Amino acid sequence: AQSVSQHNHHVILSEAASLELGCNYSYGGTVNLFWYVQYPGQHLQLLLKYFSGDPLVKGIKGFEAEFIKSKFSFNLRKPSVQWSDTAEYFCAVNGDAGNMLTFGGGTRLMVKP
Amino acid sequence: EAGVTQFPSHSVIEKGQTVTLRCDPISGHDNLYWYRRVMGKEIKFLLHFVKESKQDESGMPNNRFLAERTGGTYSTLKVQPAELEDSGVYFCASSQDLGAVYNEQFFGPGTRLTVL
Repeated sequence: AQSVSQHNHHVILSEAASLELGCNYSYGGTVNLFWYVQYPGQHLQLLLKYFSGDPLVKGIKGFEAEFIKSKFSFNLRKPSVQWSDTAEYFCAVNGDAGNMLTFGGGTRLMVKP
Repeated sequence: EAGVTQFPSHSVIEKGQTVTLRCDPISGHDNLYWYRRVMGKEIKFLLHFVKESKQDESGMPNNRFLAERTGGTYSTLKVQPAELEDSGVYFCASSQDLGAVYNEQFFGPGTRLTVL
């Protein structure tokens, strides 16, 4: 069975600080990896995804993530956060068992202006 | 284009009552998924429809939960009778079937269910 672990439940940063959110997954086969974001009062939306190829993927709003296969990790990064990045972030994987997504527990990010 | 919609946005019921949640997927999306997030836990998969057929219902917690998708359009998720541990946010998602290995899922706003 696949599982996803997000290391930080809550993160508080000041504007312009750099962000890195950790994500590790457990699955023996080929995986597709995702980061979703839920802004206050809004739907879950896709930030970025990795299927294959360049392990450094760029998403919307200046976010990027790096897939490190040997570490089973897919950490999310942003060099300089803004107040508008305040949201909950979810790492998710999809293995070859079907189309279902397996999510991590989420990380609530608060950016202080 | 309208996104995935869910109704109601909030529901408060008493233990033992019945609740029905509805999801309208994006038009033309054959795949429909239900997920649930119990307070403080991760979002968990419940089941997956392809058109009107249940493709995967491995995440359904027990037989108090019944999902339907008659006609392959909207879907309902009924909880009968509801228990306290059913409280949480129920998300619906839909995706096209483009023949790819994975097709992006678009999520609805969720229904927050509180069982008292």
